[in-house]
Amino acid sequence: EIVLTQSPGTLSLSPGERATLSCRASQSVSSSYLAWYQQKPGQAPRLLMYGASSRATGIPDRFSGSGSGTDFTLTISRLEPEDFAVYYCQHYGSSLTFGGGTKVEIK
Amino acid sequence: QVQLVESGGGVVQPGGSLTLSCAASGFTFSNFGMHWVRQAPGKGLEWVAFIRYDGSNKYYADSVKGRFTISRDNSKNTLYLQMNSLRAEDTAVYFCAKGPNIRLDYWGQGTLVTVSS
Repeated sequence: EIVLTQSPGTLSLSPGERATLSCRASQSVSSSYLAWYQQKPGQAPRLLMYGASSRATGIPDRFSGSGSGTDFTLTISRLEPEDFAVYYCQHYGSSLTFGGGTKVEIK
Repeated sequence: QVQLVESGGGVVQPGGSLTLSCAASGFTFSNFGMHWVRQAPGKGLEWVAFIRYDGSNKYYADSVKGRFTISRDNSKNTLYLQMNSLRAEDTAVYFCAKGPNIRLDYWGQGTLVTVSS
């Protein structure tokens, strides 16, 4: 089973700064099956990106995704106050797995 | 707009059973596979189960295989999760989510299941 490792565990940044979140797979995976989600406290997760680099419906263009093979990145170009949340990557293979999450907190 | 509303959570003793429901609206339910995902208190996300659009195939996480059963009633636009032999480690918020199989496009708000004596 593929394991997804997200880093850093916590990212402390100020509004307006750039956020770079990493998701590393234990073996090479298809980017077609890599997605990212955002979860705010007390809320359900929301799909941000799918196919590693395609934005889901209604997701602003300050969010972008990239990567291939074992290394994938979610970038938030300029943090807005509503972007402080936990972010999860997810892969579909023999099963569906999530990374452990990265918390983006206000510095 | 897509709406998914879970219900049926509560407190249950270890070894007990519980059935969760997820009422879907705002899309053609019978055209899409559906997932259950759970989140233990203060922890990350764990995929639980997936059912194809017509119920023909079902897939489970190893942690629940043989104890949980996913099903659906397309005439009622409702997804179910039958949970048996519940353990303390099954305590979590359970979310239903709209597929496809490779990702989760929309999520419900979740229902809390607490397994405790």
